[in-house]
Amino acid sequence: AQSVTQPDIHITVSEGASLELRCNYSYGATPYLFWYVQSPGQGLQLLLKYFSGDTLVQGIKGFEAEFKRSQSSFNLRKPSVHWSDAAEYFCAFATSGTYKYIFGTGTRLKVLA
Amino acid sequence: SQTIHQWPATLVQPVGSPLSLECTVEGTSNPNLYWYRQAAGRGLQLLFYSVGIGQISSEVPQNLSASRPQDRQFILSSKKLLLSDSGFYLCAWSGGYTGELFFGEGSRLTVL
Repeated sequence: AQSVTQPDIHITVSEGASLELRCNYSYGATPYLFWYVQSPGQGLQLLLKYFSGDTLVQGIKGFEAEFKRSQSSFNLRKPSVHWSDAAEYFCAFATSGTYKYIFGTGTRLKVLA
Repeated sequence: SQTIHQWPATLVQPVGSPLSLECTVEGTSNPNLYWYRQAAGRGLQLLFYSVGIGQISSEVPQNLSASRPQDRQFILSSKKLLLSDSGFYLCAWSGGYTGELFFGEGSRLTVL
């Protein structure tokens, strides 16, 4: 079955530290991959997306993600976290020729001052 | 530019009452439209999507329904709410196959 797994429900990091949020997908081919961020009580904002080509994708707010086909992963990274990055992060994927987007359960990021 | 509006932002309803959440998109035509529900710790659950007027695909059997009476209008309804319908409902649109989703600000529904 097609699915997205975000194994970390909560992550806490200190401000200025590096961050990596994990995402694994289950699908027989290469999907289209997305990372979204959600502030409390708000809608979701796209951070970055991967369709094809360069496996290292740059996004907004200093985030990047790397697609690794061999590991079925699309991990999100940021070299130095800011207090304003505290939010919930969702990994999602879509498959070619469909209109359906499948989301992971999210990772809630807490940033310590 | 394209915008998406969703209302009401907050709703408190008794069990057994009806529901209507509305979503409209501006600045684009023939969008694909989506309703998601977000429950605490469970991520986003796709409820319905629509690729055209009157075309509704349901992903989860439940007491909710969706309608698309106009090209850029998507409505989520229920005749009788259950406690389990409580949650945060998000409307979204996309411009075609696998383009990014653009989300509304969400509607918080509490069923008492």
